[in-house]
Order: sequence, then structure tokens, then C-alpha cells
Amino acid sequence: KAGVTQTPRYLIKTRGQQVTLSCSPISGHRSVSWYQQTPGQGLQFLFEYFSETQRNKGNFPGRFSGRQFSNSRSEMNVSTLELGDSALYLCASSWNPFAGGTDTQYFGPGTRLTVL
Amino acid sequence: KQEVTQIPAALSVPEGENLVLNCSFTDSAIYNLQWFRQDPGKGLTSLLLIQSSQREQTSGRLNASLDKSSGRSTLYIAASQPGDSATYLCAKYNNNDMRFGAGTRLTVKP
Repeated sequence: KAGVTQTPRYLIKTRGQQVTLSCSPISGHRSVSWYQQTPGQGLQFLFEYFSETQRNKGNFPGRFSGRQFSNSRSEMNVSTLELGDSALYLCASSWNPFAGGTDTQYFGPGTRLTVL
Repeated sequence: KQEVTQIPAALSVPEGENLVLNCSFTDSAIYNLQWFRQDPGKGLTSLLLIQSSQREQTSGRLNASLDKSSGRSTLYIAASQPGDSATYLCAKYNNNDMRFGAGTRLTVKP
């Protein structure tokens, strides 16, 4: 089974621009979660989508948004980029982790975003 | 406020040693705890997941324990190998919220 894939792997943007990151989950997985990882704040939960609906959301400003398509693929969008948005953005998929917490999450390799 | 704390932040050991990584959490309400491994510039690989009703899980040379009453989990690595070098993160899940520790960076020297 193919793993979680994320595109692009690396991205350089300037302040004020917007960016869209893509995540394709493992086939059959219906839940996709997004995380931001920075040296200062560590790994922080952004949001989780299940069956095209945002089910959970972390403590991030509205500039961070996402969506999920009918094939479970998910996109994350960050508008009006700030220098502090530079981070590794990870997505993870599972069959259904937030309805019981029994499922292991499988992570993609991440997208390294640099904001100049 | 750091809800999940991992000690030590970094650890360097010679090959073959047994070692313990620690994870503590301030809120004892927990549904499960998961240990991950992260290689430089890569995503996370799940190692072990312990449900709140369990006390430990084992996979190969890895053993993770969970003590909810004291708010602690440990990851025991037996007979460490250079290939074990990575950052190890623990994550506590409860009430639709997952919180990660900052990780322990492990180096196993040949």
C-alpha cells in the first residue's frame, strides 16, 4: 500500500502571499489531519478532516484553512503568509482516529515551507 | 504551558546499550498515548500506541509503558543500534485533541 504523499515537498514564498499544500492519504483512510512543526513550538495540531468535514481544529488563526475532497485527498491553505509561518507541515491519515482514538496515524514526509 | 514534557531533550549512547526515554503529561485525562520516531527532515513514524486501559505495548526491541495516575509514559529501547538514531516524540490524545512533546533526540554511536 502506498504511504501518505504530500506535495510539494519544498516551497519558498514571500510575506503576504498565499500557499496551498496537498496531501493524499493512504488508500481507504478517511481521516486526514494537519500539523505544523517548528523548532520553537514543536509539533502542533492544525485541523482534522473526515468525510469532507472539518471535525476538529487547533488553536491557529483563520489564515489557516483546509478542505477535503470526496476521494479523501486534502488541501491546506495559508493566506497572507507571515515569516512565522515558516515550518514543516505534516499531514497524517488514518481510518478514523478521532472517533475513539484507537487508530494509528500515518504521517507523510511533510512540506517544508519557507517564507521570506 | 507545556502539557507534554519529554526528558531528556537529547541523549547519546554507545551501541548496545539499553535506554529509557521519558514522557510526562500534566493532564491525567488521557485516551491513548502514542510514541513516534522522526528522522531528520522526514515525517513521523508511529512506533507504539497505548490505550488508556493498557499498561504497556511491545514491538520488537521497543517497549512502552503508561502510568496514568502519575502522568508518565516511558519508551524502553533494548540493545540500541545506530539505526535507532532519530528524534522520538510522544503524543497524548484525549477529547479530540492530540498534544505532542518536544521530543528526545537520540544518537547511538557505533
